[in-house]
Formats: sequence, structure tokens, C-alpha cells
Amino acid sequence: KAGVTQTPRYLIKTRGQQVTLSCSPISGHRSVSWYQQTPGQGLQFLFEYFSETQRNKGNFPGRFSGRQFSNSRSEMNVSTLELGDSALYLCATRTGDRGLGTEAFFGQGTRLTVV
Amino acid sequence: ILNVEQSPQSLHVQEGDSTNFTCSFPSSNFYALHWYRWETAKSPEALFVMTLNGDEKKKGRISATLNTKEGYSYLYIKGSQPEDSATYLCASSSYNNAGNMLTFGGGTRLMVKP
Repeated sequence: KAGVTQTPRYLIKTRGQQVTLSCSPISGHRSVSWYQQTPGQGLQFLFEYFSETQRNKGNFPGRFSGRQFSNSRSEMNVSTLELGDSALYLCATRTGDRGLGTEAFFGQGTRLTVV
Repeated sequence: ILNVEQSPQSLHVQEGDSTNFTCSFPSSNFYALHWYRWETAKSPEALFVMTLNGDEKKKGRISATLNTKEGYSYLYIKGSQPEDSATYLCASSSYNNAGNMLTFGGGTRLMVKP
């Protein structure tokens, strides 16, 4: 089956702009989580969506937002970009409801560079 | 322990060596411990998901153990091969979250020399 697809793979934006990243989960996966990785940092949790509802949110400013559509595809948006937002953004999808004990499947990520 | 911590940060071994890494995690409200392998330019891939204290899992030359009471897990690689070179991530989840939030450690970067 097709894997988790993230688009675009690479992106260069200017400070102050906004950006939208997309994640298409594996068919049947209803939970989509977003993570940020910056140089020297581990994966930092941004938020998780399930059935079009945000279930969890990490400690990121309100400039970071997301949504999920009825087909489980998810987007994240970062407004008023700052240099520190340059990072690899990964999405991870899981099968279902309270899938705390199930593995996550990751996309290849979107590499965002803010100049 | 409030965060997930991994040690060592990096490791260089010779082909054929056996090695192990440590993951420490909060033991309160623990639900599951995940191990992922992340090769350069690829996506992280799940190795193991463990939930029970004393759990041991094995996949080929790689195995993992779990101690939920003291909050640690070990990952073992027997007879390391160059293709084992990758960053190994552990992540924990807890009952505190309504959903699927994983808290990741910083990873252990393994380099296996031929």
C-alpha cells in the first residue's frame, strides 16, 4: 500500500511569509501527527488530528496551526515565518482511535528553509 | 524523569561488534515505548512498540527490553553491520494524552565501520 506522502519535499520562504505543508496518510489511517526537527533537537511534537479534530497540541506558538479534512489528509500552516522555523517537518500517521500502542508511519518530511 | 532521554548520543563501532543503547522515559502514566530507525534521507521506520513491563522483542539481530517500573528500555544490536548505520529513536506515550502524542528522545546515532 502507498506510504505517507508529504508535499512539498523542499521549500524556501522569506521571513514574514506564510507556508502550508500537506500530509496524505496511508489509506485507513485516521490519526495524523506533525513533528518538527531542528538541528541538534529531537523530534518536537506540534499537534495531532483525528477525525478532523485536534486532539493534542505541543508547546508551539499560535503561528503554527493545522487542520484535517474528511479524507484524513492534513495540512499545517505556519504564519509570519521566522528564521528559527527552518526545520524538517515530519508527519506521522496511525491507524485509529486510541492507538497509543500502535506504530507510527512517517512521511519523508518537508525541509523548510526560511531566509 | 520528565523527558525522554537517550544515551549515548553517538556511537562508532566496527563491523561485527555488538552494541546497545539506553532510553529513559517517565514511568508515571506510561502506556507504550516505541523504537524507530532513521536512515539518512529516509523516513523513520518502526522497530518495536512495547507496552508491558518485562517485555522483550526481537527482529533479526536487533532486540529490545522494557522496564516500565524504573522507566528504561535497552536496544541491542548483535553483530553490527554497515547497513545498521542510522539514528535510533525512542519515544514514549502516556495515558495523559487523549490521543497519539509521542515524546521522542534525542536519538543515538550509530555508525558501523566495515
